[in-house]
Amino acid sequence: DTGVSQDPRHKITKRGQNVTFRCDPISEHNRLYWYRQTLGQGPEFLTYFQNEAQLEKSRLLSDRFSAERPKGSFSTLEIQRTEQGDSAMYLCASRDLHTDTQYFGPGTRLTVL
Amino acid sequence: AQTVTQSQPEMSVQEAETVTLSCTYDTSENNYYLFWYKQPPSRQMILVIRQEAYKQQNATENRFSVNFQKAAKSFSLKISDSQLGDTAMYFCAFMRGQNFVFGPGTRLSVLP
Repeated sequence: DTGVSQDPRHKITKRGQNVTFRCDPISEHNRLYWYRQTLGQGPEFLTYFQNEAQLEKSRLLSDRFSAERPKGSFSTLEIQRTEQGDSAMYLCASRDLHTDTQYFGPGTRLTVL
Repeated sequence: AQTVTQSQPEMSVQEAETVTLSCTYDTSENNYYLFWYKQPPSRQMILVIRQEAYKQQNATENRFSVNFQKAAKSFSLKISDSQLGDTAMYFCAFMRGQNFVFGPGTRLSVLP
């Protein structure tokens, strides 16, 4: 098991473009979380999946953001019509049914020009 | 809503010395979990230590230990025999159910 992976690690895009990030959780983990982290701050919760069901969304997640986990394995986070304020590190974490600990991926750093 | 406060934005410690990072939180819940995560520069966040609120005994992991004061809603992290590799951002986090809240972090620098 190689832990949580995220792709890409870095993304630079122009304002108004759409971007999509992928997260592959630890294989036996059924819970998956997305967070946004801006420089010098702690992660802020965006959304949470249990298997393929998206059970909770933060009000930080505007209608330009959408997340999916179609088969209960990997997840994607899409941002449409990106804005400069979307520039941040997007973190994914997974957690299994039996523990209360989240394991984080390396993150995708988004820069919107 | 739960909140987590870390009142020390930055701290430094000499190598081999001991340092304590502070964390306080606000909740009306009785059962929850508390965590310290470490985020080294340009590297991913990793778990340092966890504490269940129903356990009175303070958690310990090698050089890392916590002082959990439930009534005071305080959860400090002590790092003994600090090493250069301990240089990182340290985040205190609260979890109840699926509600996971992080503090703003403390930047720790270990000086040679």
